[in-house]
Amino acid sequence: DIQMTQSPSSVSASVGDSVTITCRASRGISGWLAWYQQKPGTAPKLLIYAASSLQSGVPSRFSGSGSGTDFTLTISSLQPEDFATYYCQQASSFPRTFGQGTRVEL
Amino acid sequence: EVQLLESGGGLEQPGGSLRLSCAASGFTFSSDAMSWVRQAPGKGLEWVSLIFAGGSTYYADSVKGRFTVSRDNSKNTLYLEMSSLRVEDTAIYYCAKTMDYGGGFDPWGQGTLVTVSS
Repeated sequence: DIQMTQSPSSVSASVGDSVTITCRASRGISGWLAWYQQKPGTAPKLLIYAASSLQSGVPSRFSGSGSGTDFTLTISSLQPEDFATYYCQQASSFPRTFGQGTRVEL
Repeated sequence: EVQLLESGGGLEQPGGSLRLSCAASGFTFSSDAMSWVRQAPGKGLEWVSLIFAGGSTYYADSVKGRFTVSRDNSKNTLYLEMSSLRVEDTAIYYCAKTMDYGGGFDPWGQGTLVTVSS
C-alpha cells in the first residue's frame, strides 16, 4: 500500500497569512493526487485534483503542486472560512489512501 | 445539481449486518465510478471501496471479504452490504462520485453513521 504522510499535523495561522501543507507518498504516484478540505460536522470537499487542477468553484487562493512523491497545497491569504482540516489522497493505485490530515487553526 | 444521499446507518451488534444505500441524482449515474469512504469518530478519512461504471470492484484490506459494494443503475443507487461487523467499523460512511481524471472524490454525500456496539 502507498502511505501518504502529511506535514505538519497542525499549523497556527492568522487571517491573511500564506500556509503550505506538504504531502509525501511512500512511492511515486505521478500526478494522481487530490486535496480536500473538511470542516467539523461536514463532508470533505474536493479542492485540487490531478495534483494541481483547481476544482470548479474553489477560490484561486488554493493551489497545488508536485509530482512523483512530493506535493504541496498552498493557501495564499488565509480567509476566516479556511480554518479547517486538510487531507491529501492518492489515486494512483489500490487501495486508495489518505494522509492523516493537517489542521489549520487560528 | 449533483446530489448524493446516504441512508441505512444505525446501531448494530458485533457480528451483525447492515446495508447502506446512496441515492444519486443530477448526473448520469451509470457512467461514473462511485466510492465509499468512512471516518471513525475524531479520526481521519479511510477509503473503503470503489465500483467502476463497468462493475469492477475494489476494497480496503480492512473490509475485504466482509463488505460488498454494488450498484443498481436503474435506481441510481449505490449500496454497501456490511457483514461480520466489528467495533472498529464504527464510523460515518460517505458515498462519493469518483472522477475518472485525477481520481478525486467529488461530491460527497452528507454521510450516515454506523455504530457497532454490544
